[in-house]
Amino acid sequence: DIVMTQGVLPNPVPSGESASITCRSSKSLVYKDGKTYLNWFLQRPGQSPQLLTYWMSTRASGVSDRFSGSGSGTYFTLKISRVRAEDAGVYYCQQVREYPWTFGGGTKLELK
Amino acid sequence: EVQLVESGGSLVQPGGSLKLSCVASGFTFSNYWMDWVRQTPGKSLEWIGEINTDGSKTNYAPSIKDRFTISRDNAKSTLYLQMSNVKSDDTAIYYCTRYSGDYWGQGVMVTVSS
Repeated sequence: DIVMTQGVLPNPVPSGESASITCRSSKSLVYKDGKTYLNWFLQRPGQSPQLLTYWMSTRASGVSDRFSGSGSGTYFTLKISRVRAEDAGVYYCQQVREYPWTFGGGTKLELK
Repeated sequence: EVQLVESGGSLVQPGGSLKLSCVASGFTFSNYWMDWVRQTPGKSLEWIGEINTDGSKTNYAPSIKDRFTISRDNAKSTLYLQMSNVKSDDTAIYYCTRYSGDYWGQGVMVTVSS
C-alpha cells in the first residue's frame, strides 16, 4: 500500500497569516495521463470531511481560492492564505493513484 | 441539493453481521461510482471500498476483503455495505461518499463489542 505521511503544523496559527500543510507519499502519484492523483480534505469539528482539491491542485466546486495545492510526484503542500476561523479542523491528504486508496494521518489546524 | 444519508449503524457483537444503507438524492445516482470510508475513534480515515455504476465491479481494502460486501440498487438510489464476521477493530463511523469524494454523508456509528 502507498503510505501517506503528513506533517505537523506549529499551532496555533494567527488569524490572517498563511499556513502550509505537507504530505508525502511512499510512491509517485503521477499516472501515465500526467495527472497527479492526490486529494485534500478538511474535516471541521463534528462534521464530515469536505473535498478541497483533487488532481493535486484543482480546487473543488465552491472552495475558496485561499486554498492552493502544489507539489511533485511524492511531496505535496496545501497552502491556506489569510487563515480564518472557519479553516480550523483536521486536514487529510489522500492518494487515489493505486488501490487501496489511502489517507494521511491528518494535520490539525488551530487558530489563535 | 446532493444528499447522502446513511443508516443502519448499531451495537453488534464480535462475529456478528450488520448491513448499512446510504440513500442518495439530488443527483443521478446510477451515473456515479460510490465509496465507503470509515473513521475510527480519534484516528484517521480508512477507505473501505467502491462499486461501479451498475454494480458489476467492486474494489476493496485488504483489511476488510472477504468480510465486507458493497452493493447498490440504482432503482432505489441506495448504496449498501454488508458487514460480516465483525471485529472490535471495525468500530468506527462509516461514511458513504460519491466517488470523487466531493460529497459525503453524515456518517453512521458502528460499535463492535460484547
